[in-house]
Amino acid sequence: TQLLEQSPQFLSIQEGENLTVYCNSSSVFSSLQWYRQEPGEGPVLLVTVVTGGEVKKLKRLTFQFGDARKDSSLHITAAQPGDTGLYLCAGVSPKGKLIFGQGTELSVKP
Amino acid sequence: SAVISQKPSRDICQRGTSLTIQCQVDSQVTMMFWYRQQPGQSLTLIATANQGSEATYESGFVIDKFPISRPNLTFSTLTVSNMSPEDSSIYLCSVDRKYTQYFGPGTRLTVL
Repeated sequence: TQLLEQSPQFLSIQEGENLTVYCNSSSVFSSLQWYRQEPGEGPVLLVTVVTGGEVKKLKRLTFQFGDARKDSSLHITAAQPGDTGLYLCAGVSPKGKLIFGQGTELSVKP
Repeated sequence: SAVISQKPSRDICQRGTSLTIQCQVDSQVTMMFWYRQQPGQSLTLIATANQGSEATYESGFVIDKFPISRPNLTFSTLTVSNMSPEDSSIYLCSVDRKYTQYFGPGTRLTVL
């Protein structure tokens, strides 16, 4: 069974701070996706990383896929209250199924 | 992109009853997916619904407990049968379009 360990589970920081969320597995994934979910809504895709070692930037968010395609990280620079939400990583298995990590609840206080 | 709506958005139900959740997509899709998101936990795939055939259930989920209908290419329903408090969760439907998964807003179910 493929599992994704996401850490930390909860993160409460002040506006302007930097943070990193990690997503680790012992399995290889075809690709890995990061989602953001706000209360009362479904997850919304932020990015898909496909190639080992790939780095993608989305404004203040930087996503990295590990060289072995088993892990990924999300780094947010100068966090803002609008970044508050649940961040989920999801690995795409060789059969095309999405396997989600446990999620990271981020709270950014003004 | 895909616009997905779900009904109801939330409900509070009594133990032993059943609830049917509807999912409507703004355009035709081959596969629709149903997920469960338990409190404080991540998303778990319940089943994949294809139009014109029986749904494919993941390990730990059975058709008697979660019957699914897929009458056409834009609509699906998930029924949570004989509910218990352990079924309290957010239920989400989703579709895959061009390698991107789009999710509905979810149905928040509380079972008393």
